[in-house]
Amino acid sequence: AQSVTQLGSHVSVSEGALVLLRCNYSSSVPPYLFWYVQYPNQGLQLLLKYTSAATLVKGINGFEAEFKKSETSFHLTKPSAHMSDAAEYFCAVSAPGWGKLQFGAGTQVVVTP
Amino acid sequence: EPEVTQTPSHQVTQMGQEVILRCVPISNHLYFYWYRQILGQKVEFLVSFYNNEISEKSEIFDDQFSVERPDGSNFTLKIRSTKLEDSAMYFCASSPGTSAQETQYFGPGTRLLVL
Repeated sequence: AQSVTQLGSHVSVSEGALVLLRCNYSSSVPPYLFWYVQYPNQGLQLLLKYTSAATLVKGINGFEAEFKKSETSFHLTKPSAHMSDAAEYFCAVSAPGWGKLQFGAGTQVVVTP
Repeated sequence: EPEVTQTPSHQVTQMGQEVILRCVPISNHLYFYWYRQILGQKVEFLVSFYNNEISEKSEIFDDQFSVERPDGSNFTLKIRSTKLEDSAMYFCASSPGTSAQETQYFGPGTRLLVL
């Protein structure tokens, strides 16, 4: 079975500071990993995904994530936070033969001036 | 850019009533999903649908739930007799193919409140 754990339900960052959102996964097979973002009153939007190609994955809006098998992690980073990054971020896992996504609990990001 | 749409955005119903949540997936997509998120909890998978039949369902998706693709564009989730615990945000998603690598595109959700 697959599962993800997101450390920190709320993260506050200053504008211009590094954004780091943590995601650890558990999977009995090589996983596919996803980061989604949800802005207020909107659906979930894909930021980036790892599907067994390059371990460093670049996404939209300046975000990137690195797949580390040894640490079973897929942490999301952005070098410099912008006010528009305030949203909820979800890590999710899937695997070959699985059609569904298993989501983490989400991390709410607040950006302060 | 094509997007998944859902109606209504909000629905309030009385316990025991039937509700139908509607979704219009992206037009050339083949695989459809329903997820839900109870307030303060994780987004949970309910059901996936492909080629006019259910591919997979979770233990949440009991006999009170059903899905249908009544025409070439709509994808619906019906809850026959709503319970208080069905109150949640319901998300529809679609993907272009059946591979687990495929991106799932989500709609904005329907917030269901059962009184």
